[in-house]
Amino acid sequence: KQEVTQIPAALSVPEGENLVLNCSFTDSAIYNLQWFRQDPGKGLTSLLLIQSSQREQTSGRLNASLDKSSGRSTLYIAASQPGDSATYLCAVGHQRNTPLVFGKGTRLSVIA
Amino acid sequence: DVKVTQSSRYLVKRTGEKVFLECVQDMDHENMFWYRQDPGLGLRLIYFSYDVKMKEKGDIPEGYSVSREKKERFSLILESASTNQTSMYLCASSLGRGGQETQYFGPGTRLLVL
Repeated sequence: KQEVTQIPAALSVPEGENLVLNCSFTDSAIYNLQWFRQDPGKGLTSLLLIQSSQREQTSGRLNASLDKSSGRSTLYIAASQPGDSATYLCAVGHQRNTPLVFGKGTRLSVIA
Repeated sequence: DVKVTQSSRYLVKRTGEKVFLECVQDMDHENMFWYRQDPGLGLRLIYFSYDVKMKEKGDIPEGYSVSREKKERFSLILESASTNQTSMYLCASSLGRGGQETQYFGPGTRLLVL
């Protein structure tokens, strides 16, 4: 059974730092991987989706990479801002149109 | 923009009550999902549906049922609410049909069962 792990559970950084969030998964036979952001008490917002054939995706200050063979993905946030403070979750899709398996998230605090 | 709405943001119910949580999406998505989210446990899939009148059990279906009579609407039903069903409930949808599979989430319903 696929398991998705995100370490650390919480992270605090000063404003302006570049940072990396980690996601690992146990079964490398994935179809896609998604990164989400969740603000307290709110739903999830999709940030980036990487298909299994891709190595990375970029959106603004965010860059997500995927290394299927090692079972890892990273979310790189450049020049962090207090508005980036949220919980970031990664989720893995095993096959087309199958439900995602979620990690428990990393709670990020960016301190001004 | 895709919009997923949930019928209530906050709900307080008594043990034993029948509870209906409704989710509506406005982008003709085929796939719809119900999750619950609890501290320390993350998101757990309750039920999902790939088409009207179709449903599949997720990881924790016990105590829940679902209904999808129309494509845009996916309802989660707690037949007899219990205190251990106090949680944040999140609905999501995705396009399906082999297209973009990004999941779009609603704002969540925080349910308290007393």
